[in-house]
Amino acid sequence: TQLLEQSPQFLSIQEGENLTVYCNSSSVFSSLQWYRQEPGEGPVLLVTVVTGGEVKKLKRLTFQFGDARKDSSLHITAAQPGDTGLYLCAGENRGSTLGRLYFGRGTQLTVWP
Amino acid sequence: NAGVTQTPKFRILKIGQSMTLQCTQDMNHNYMYWYRQDPGMGLKLIYYSVGAGITDKGEVPNGYNVSRSTTEDFPLRLELAAPSQTSVYFCASSYTEGTEAFFGQGTRLTVV
Repeated sequence: TQLLEQSPQFLSIQEGENLTVYCNSSSVFSSLQWYRQEPGEGPVLLVTVVTGGEVKKLKRLTFQFGDARKDSSLHITAAQPGDTGLYLCAGENRGSTLGRLYFGRGTQLTVWP
Repeated sequence: NAGVTQTPKFRILKIGQSMTLQCTQDMNHNYMYWYRQDPGMGLKLIYYSVGAGITDKGEVPNGYNVSRSTTEDFPLRLELAAPSQTSVYFCASSYTEGTEAFFGQGTRLTVV
């Protein structure tokens, strides 16, 4: 079982379309991070959200942290072929498991020209 | 800046062999992690460390061992390799909890 559930697992869209990727859990997280991974490379951080209800924007990408800090979403406006990649959410669950950074399964996004 | 360096990049092991995956970081990060990534899957945490001399199990520790004798190095040891350990292994480091994790380039391991 995954502590962080991501959906959809695969997404194939045309250039210019909008999309939303979801990251859900039954656990509360002190923070959630979104990473993007290209083939043959390690993941690279896009953003960290810390406060419940927080919204962060990174150009055409909008990240939201749920009020209860159990879920997050990534919305991409007017997707470009350069957005193609594996999007991963990751979270730390503090307390007895301090230091454990868990990842979701990821959403493989393909944007066609 | 080197960041997180993993060696080797590729390795083929026979069933029952052992090997050590090396990981070193030059950012003076306290936290270090080992993950494995199987096709179509996200990253599964194998072991992690919050500082030199301190290690703990992640989600999938069986068949692996780690040590953290220095801040910089966090090697992952595979004893008695099995086909189920065929995967891509990533090492990562971060300054502390909630901060950006920096990843190495990965080690692609095949056990035959």
